[in-house]
Amino acid sequence: DAKTTQPPSMDCAEGRAANLPCNHSTISGNEYVYWYRQIHSQGPQYIIHGLKNNETNEMASLIITEDRKSSTLILPHATLRDTAVYYCIVRVERGKLIFGQGTELSVKP
Amino acid sequence: AAGVIQSPRHLIKEKRETATLKCYPIPRHDTVYWYQQGPGQDPQFLISFYEKMQSDKGSIPDRFSAQQFSDYHSELNMSSLELGDSALYFCASSFLRRTSTDTQYFGPGTRLTVL
Repeated sequence: DAKTTQPPSMDCAEGRAANLPCNHSTISGNEYVYWYRQIHSQGPQYIIHGLKNNETNEMASLIITEDRKSSTLILPHATLRDTAVYYCIVRVERGKLIFGQGTELSVKP
Repeated sequence: AAGVIQSPRHLIKEKRETATLKCYPIPRHDTVYWYQQGPGQDPQFLISFYEKMQSDKGSIPDRFSAQQFSDYHSELNMSSLELGDSALYFCASSFLRRTSTDTQYFGPGTRLTVL
């Protein structure tokens, strides 16, 4: 599975958009980009995933560059409850999740 | 919607004892994954099962074993417990047969403390 690189921490003002970047320059053509988050020792929560097209759901948007070497998770209106560690994971279909260090997002009032 | 259920939520054991963690997947899900998260660490994959057969294996100690039963629930058995086994243990489930990308949904975890 391809390795991902994320900034260790980010801050965001409440109500503003949070843009979390992820580099995955060695991604293969059959690997998906998944985003999970973990709020203080709770079970990781699925957010969104994509292969090459941009994706949007009720939680977030996922923007994947055309060469697929990087992506950005967008939380459009961050709230205090979005404070968590966000993991960008590249995996083949039906594969295990390999968690990296993630980005610790702090949403501040 | 029903979620993944794990029991017990908290477990305290002495060194060299055994522990059994249980996972009940989301109804109709056929695949179960186990992950271990030590203090201050990221979750690490242990083992997975699809249709009651082991499908993948990670850094799982030989002292640990797991299986998936006919009703798709899974149990992680841990013997000769060591202090370093103290961790959060997460179970995740997915529906492999439905689509080509199986999203894993996690349970709340079992916090194991070994004294």
